[in-house]
Amino acid sequence: DAGVTQSPTHLIKTRGQHVTLRCSPISGHKSVSWYQQVLGQGPQFIFQYYEKEERGRGNFPDRFSARQFPNYSSELNVNALLLGDSALYLCASSLAQNRNTIYFGEGSWLTVV
Amino acid sequence: GENVEQHPSTLSVQEGDSAVIKCTYSDSASNYFPWYKQELGKRPQLIIDIRSNVGEKKDQRIAVTLNKTAKHFSLHITETQPEDSAVYFCAAPHSNYQLIWGAGTKLIIKP
Repeated sequence: DAGVTQSPTHLIKTRGQHVTLRCSPISGHKSVSWYQQVLGQGPQFIFQYYEKEERGRGNFPDRFSARQFPNYSSELNVNALLLGDSALYLCASSLAQNRNTIYFGEGSWLTVV
Repeated sequence: GENVEQHPSTLSVQEGDSAVIKCTYSDSASNYFPWYKQELGKRPQLIIDIRSNVGEKKDQRIAVTLNKTAKHFSLHITETQPEDSAVYFCAAPHSNYQLIWGAGTKLIIKP
């Protein structure tokens, strides 16, 4: 049984560029959340999607956007990249929306230079 | 909103001794408290969680205790081993859709 899968695992981008990160939840899970983890800190909530609708948004600028597809996979998009966007981006999957156990993917390491 | 504080930031214990990490939360409505272990360069992995209808939960060498009155919960690791070295995070839910995380505790197991 596959866990949460994310791609790409590592990428390097230049300031001002755009990036798309992808996530496939655990089979049967309908909720996907995105977290940003800067080195030395705990994960910070970015978005939650459930049944293809945005259900929650953290304190991130409009440069960050996401969507969920009919198969429950998800994309996180970040425009106009800044050096401070360099972080580990974690996708988390859960069965339903409300306070259930979440399982993380391996993450996508983004470096902005 | 929810606020989670975690202590200590670094904990060094002798191999075989016990380690205790504590977290406090602010939202009395919170009812789910997970603990995650993160090794260097890897994702956070759920190691144990507790729901508010119980006061303690054990899984082999790991236990979590919850005091709802005082709004704090703790992770206990007994008979520590070198592979327990990692950063440990507590978390508590905020609204229906997100976890608020503690700042993390770096656990060092000395041989």
